[in-house]
Amino acid sequence: DAGITQSPRHKVTETGTPVTLRCHQTENHRYMYWYRQDPGHGLRLIHYSYGVKDTDKGEVSDGYSVSRSKTEDFLLTLESATSSQTSVYFCAISVGSNEKLFFGSGTQLSVL
Amino acid sequence: KNQVEQSPQSLIILEGKNCTLQCNYTVSPFSNLRWYKQDTGRGPVSLTIMTFSENTKSNGRYTATLDADTKQSSLHITASQLSDSASYICVVIAMNNAGNMLTFGGGTRLMVKP
Repeated sequence: DAGITQSPRHKVTETGTPVTLRCHQTENHRYMYWYRQDPGHGLRLIHYSYGVKDTDKGEVSDGYSVSRSKTEDFLLTLESATSSQTSVYFCAISVGSNEKLFFGSGTQLSVL
Repeated sequence: KNQVEQSPQSLIILEGKNCTLQCNYTVSPFSNLRWYKQDTGRGPVSLTIMTFSENTKSNGRYTATLDADTKQSSLHITASQLSDSASYICVVIAMNNAGNMLTFGGGTRLMVKP
């Protein structure tokens, strides 16, 4: 698993509440990513980071923000959760020039 | 728009049988293509990478092919095992001035029955 842990593994929350998901890596990789996975869609990139305090948007970034204050931690925040954000969220790190991704085990988020 | 289409969406086979999963892409400029295996409740794990110059690559019972002219890749699984039950995801990487861009297919869900 390349030393990636996601927390929490499962979360149920109510519409309008803030939610923060955490991704932690132990191997000092520069690039980290947040994806969401939904039925009928491939994995879709939300945000990514290429270093401490360096982040950029992916294709589905609306409603999400991220922060990376330390190399090992990449946080994904839903400022005001909506039902459309019910999904499985995966964190990933990139290793090597050929973009080999190592994924965490995912966070199942349900927004009621 | 870059797209990756996988077929079939789902597949059921008997243990010991072979199967082939397809991936068609319209991604430019092409850099490489990866196949990932995703077990239920887990993140995807890379099986193999195909670069532009490679036609075939094997990883145990998994053999990937790439036809860059027709923009098609396949993943062939030989002598399937129950543990092969998973989703298989094709990912195509494009490389441009902005960096690498990954496009994910929707996956093929394979179920191997005893």
